[in-house]
Amino acid sequence: EDQVTQSPEALRLQEGESSSLNCSYTVSGLRGLFWYRQDPGKGPEFLFTLYSAGEEKEKERLKATLTKKESFLHITAPKPEDSATYLCAVPLPDSSGSARQLTFGSGTQLTVLP
Amino acid sequence: DGGITQSPKYLFRKEGQNVTLSCEQNLNHDAMYWYRQDPGQGLRLIYYSQIVNDFQKGDIAEGYSVSREKKESFPLTVTSAQKNPTAFYLCASSPPGVETQYFGPGTRLLVL
Repeated sequence: EDQVTQSPEALRLQEGESSSLNCSYTVSGLRGLFWYRQDPGKGPEFLFTLYSAGEEKEKERLKATLTKKESFLHITAPKPEDSATYLCAVPLPDSSGSARQLTFGSGTQLTVLP
Repeated sequence: DGGITQSPKYLFRKEGQNVTLSCEQNLNHDAMYWYRQDPGQGLRLIYYSQIVNDFQKGDIAEGYSVSREKKESFPLTVTSAQKNPTAFYLCASSPPGVETQYFGPGTRLLVL
């Protein structure tokens, strides 16, 4: 069964303490992996799309990488303003099987303490 | 400014009542989507529409209905058949040929 799994569910870091979030997927013929940031009570904000194994993308303190089975979101020297829930998503067949729609993981709630 | 707007920000529903959530976009995107988010969970697809006057059920369509009469608008009705409607509802849109979705600010629905 096609799945998207994120770990850990929650992560607490001290300011400046680098770490990584994981998104693993089981799908044949990956057509992209998407990362979003969601602040409490707000809609997700698009961060990155990765299309092929070995691809990397960076934005400020965030770097996303992709392998054939998982993606990592590396956070270097995080600041309190990086605190948010980070969601990953992949296009998977919808309930009718006729089209692919984004299927989201449950997210990692990141808290960066000052 | 281009973007996706959702209204209201908070909505209260009484027992047996239908309520409609608004979603409008001025990005000229063809595809629009509705998701439901429950605490500690990811987003689940309710309905989506690729073009005007056409829409498809997502994974959890029961108890919901939609219409797509205009490219810019994709309202979601939560009917009385939805027995557990309390959730955060998110609307999104995507440009042609691109699977990246851009989200609105969300509507929180609460049951009185």
